[in-house]
This record gives sequence, structure tokens and C-alpha cells, in this order.
Amino acid sequence: AQSVTQPDIHITVSEGASLELRCNYSYGATPYLFWYVQSPGQGLQLLLKYFSGDTLVQGIKGFEAEFKRSQSSFNLRKPSVHWSDAAEYFCAVSRSNYQLIWGAGTKLIIKP
Amino acid sequence: DVKVTQSSRYLVKRTGEKVFLECVQDMDHENMFWYRQDPGLGLRLIYFSYDVKMKEKGDIPEGYSVSREKKERFSLILESASTNQTSMYLCASRAGLLNTEAFFGQGTRLTVV
Repeated sequence: AQSVTQPDIHITVSEGASLELRCNYSYGATPYLFWYVQSPGQGLQLLLKYFSGDTLVQGIKGFEAEFKRSQSSFNLRKPSVHWSDAAEYFCAVSRSNYQLIWGAGTKLIIKP
Repeated sequence: DVKVTQSSRYLVKRTGEKVFLECVQDMDHENMFWYRQDPGLGLRLIYFSYDVKMKEKGDIPEGYSVSREKKERFSLILESASTNQTSMYLCASRAGLLNTEAFFGQGTRLTVV
């Protein structure tokens, strides 16, 4: 079955520290992968996406993600987090019928 | 700027009321979605529409219906609201290309009392 797993429900990181949010997917065909961010009380905003080419993709707000086919992973990274990065982060993969399969989300907490 | 607009940010309705949540997109997208978001459960798809008057049930369609009479507008209907439908509702639209992202509205926080 097609699925997306974000194993960490919450992650706490000190401001200025590096961040890695994990995402594993199960999908038979070539995956189209996305990371979204949701600030409290808001809709979702696209951070970055991968569908082909260079496996390291750059996004907005200083985020990047690396696609690793052998590990079925698409982990999100940022070298130095800011307090404004506190939010919930969602990983998703596209089905061929244009529906998106979503992970459960990871809530990022920033320690001052 | 591309835009998906949901008609209300906050709604309070009584049990048994018929509730309409409206969503409009200005990007001429074929695909539109209604999701429900609850803490710890992520986004769950209620209904999906891939064209005018066309719809598919998602993962949790029970207690909901939808209407898409025009390409830009996708309505979610709670026929008889119940307290367990208190939630955040998110509308999204997406072009008919797999390498494109979905665009989201700001969400409607519905409370059923």
C-alpha cells in the first residue's frame, strides 16, 4: 500500500542548531515528493518538491531535502533554525490520480 | 499571486444544522480537494474533484457531501452537523500535472455545539 511515514511526532531543537526531519515513503512508481509547512492556524505552504534530476533540492526559507531512492527517504534539513521555523511540517507523495498521500506531520519546537 | 480562498476562517454551528463550506480558486486548476485536519491525525481526504460535476470519495466521506458546479468553486456540505465534525477544514487545488504542488486555503475552523 502507498504510504508516507514521518516517524517523529515532535522534535525540539535549539535556535541556531541544525535540523533534520525524516520522511519515508512507500510507492511503487517514480515518486513525486513534497514538503509543506503549516504555521499555527494557517493553511499549508510548499517548502520544496522533487520529481526528477538532482536529488538534493533547495526550497524556500533556507530548507533543503535529499531524495534517496535506495532508502525510500526524502528528509528535510536546515543548517540553522530560527524561532520563526516553529511550525508543523508535512511530507507528501503524489498518486497518479493527483491525490496526495500525506504523512502525519512533525511538530517542530524551537528552544531559545 | 495564486489564491485559494475559503469563505470563513471560523464557524460555529449547532448540532443538526446544514453547513456549507465554500472554496474558490483562481488558478483554473482541474483538481480540488477537501481535507479535515485533527491533532495527531494529519490531513485526511474527505472528497476530491477532478472536473466540474465530478467527484470521488476520499478516506472519510461519511457525513459529508460536495458540489462542484463551476471549475473554480468546490463546496463541502455537512448535511446534519454533529459534534464529532468539529475540526479544521482545508481546501486545496492542484493542476493536472504530477510535478505541480497543491495550493491551500487558510482553513476553516468549524465548531459544532
